[in-house]
Amino acid sequence: NAGVTQTPKFQVLKTGQSMTLQCAQDMNHNSMYWYRQDPGMGLRLIYYSASEGTTDKGEVPNGYNVSRLNKREFSLRLESAAPSQTSVYFCATRPPGRQDTQYFGPGTRLTVL
Amino acid sequence: DQQVKQNSPSLSVQEGRISILNCDYTNSMFDYFLWYKKYPAEGPTFLISISSIKDKNEDGRFTVFLNKSAKHLSLHIVPSQPGDSAVYFCAASGQDNFNKFYFGSGTKLNVKP
Repeated sequence: NAGVTQTPKFQVLKTGQSMTLQCAQDMNHNSMYWYRQDPGMGLRLIYYSASEGTTDKGEVPNGYNVSRLNKREFSLRLESAAPSQTSVYFCATRPPGRQDTQYFGPGTRLTVL
Repeated sequence: DQQVKQNSPSLSVQEGRISILNCDYTNSMFDYFLWYKKYPAEGPTFLISISSIKDKNEDGRFTVFLNKSAKHLSLHIVPSQPGDSAVYFCAASGQDNFNKFYFGSGTKLNVKP
């Protein structure tokens, strides 16, 4: 039981390059989330998916796209990376019927030069 | 504008003493409040939560207090242990959309042996 896994762990991109961050969960949770963490800012919600086949914007969606491929997988895509997207990205899931907790993956540290 | 604020970036406490971490919020629609603990290079892990219908929730050494009139919550750790040294985030979600979690900027706790 791996919980929430994220790949890659680290990535360096040049401005304008594209990449996809992958997230997978084996807990059979319906809801999945993507956050970014920046110094002094805490975690900010980029996009979320309440269930397979649905996605919605969070606080900071500009510059990102998401795909809920199936119940297990939720990917985050940067089409044209910018230095402002340098951050640590976390994927999370929420157990069904629970408003009081989320489970986080280990994070992806992304640097855009 | 941040809806959840942690105004103390850091806190240092002696082992065995009480640690008190504070959090303020602005949105009166929030009805669940959570605390997460985060070690370097790992994802946040859920610690304790409280719903807006309560003013206190206890779990072992950890107690969360909620003061709705002041829009303030605090996390008490008694007794503090060196293993508690980490960054602590408070978070909140609301009745209008329980898929949107808002995080504070975090407080780095250092428990000295």
